[in-house]
Amino acid sequence: DAGITQSPRYKITETGRQVTLMCHQTWSHSYMFWYRQDLGHGLRLIYYSAAADITDKGEVPDGYVVSRSKTENFPLTLESATRSQTSVYFCASSWTADTEAFFGQGTRLTVV
Amino acid sequence: GIQVEQSPPDLILQEGANSTLRCNFSDSVNNLQWFHQNPWGQLINLFYIPSGTKQNGRLSATTVATERYSLLYISSSQTTDSGVYFCAVHNNAGNMLTFGGGTRLMVKP
Repeated sequence: DAGITQSPRYKITETGRQVTLMCHQTWSHSYMFWYRQDLGHGLRLIYYSAAADITDKGEVPDGYVVSRSKTENFPLTLESATRSQTSVYFCASSWTADTEAFFGQGTRLTVV
Repeated sequence: GIQVEQSPPDLILQEGANSTLRCNFSDSVNNLQWFHQNPWGQLINLFYIPSGTKQNGRLSATTVATERYSLLYISSSQTTDSGVYFCAVHNNAGNMLTFGGGTRLMVKP
């Protein structure tokens, strides 16, 4: 199906474990983004990518790692999960930084 | 960075009523989007509207870029309109959308 998809939809992991959230888009958009949504903070940018092999930090990058070897995929890795990383994570994509962005359905991550 | 404020924070309507949601931003923008986050958490694109007026069914939006605000109008509200409405802006200072805090709308039958 065309669009932007995230997996898994729900994930429970233990403190200290590594976990990777996947994001895949079929539009060949250049830009891809990872946001987290928390009560009281709204949506905040973690990392973004302007093209394959080009990534940059957003507002809250600490504790996260990204890569983008292919245009269509933008995985987000928590190298050693902490309880403060319990959140809903959204991936998004757009043609350029300021054109219309489209969001995936979100991944609800719980770190216990 | 740019500041985005939405009002009101909460709104309760009776089905069939009209409403206006407001988004103020602190600097010039080259992208403004309105989203609806439904009760299942999905972010649904409503409008891409850096300036001017657009309409889509019962919803319309107006952005007055020179005065740094945007309005989202919902007419003849339905229970399915319930959820949180977000305004998000992009300006030349960064490569990201900055979100407002949202307006939580509840439409009662």
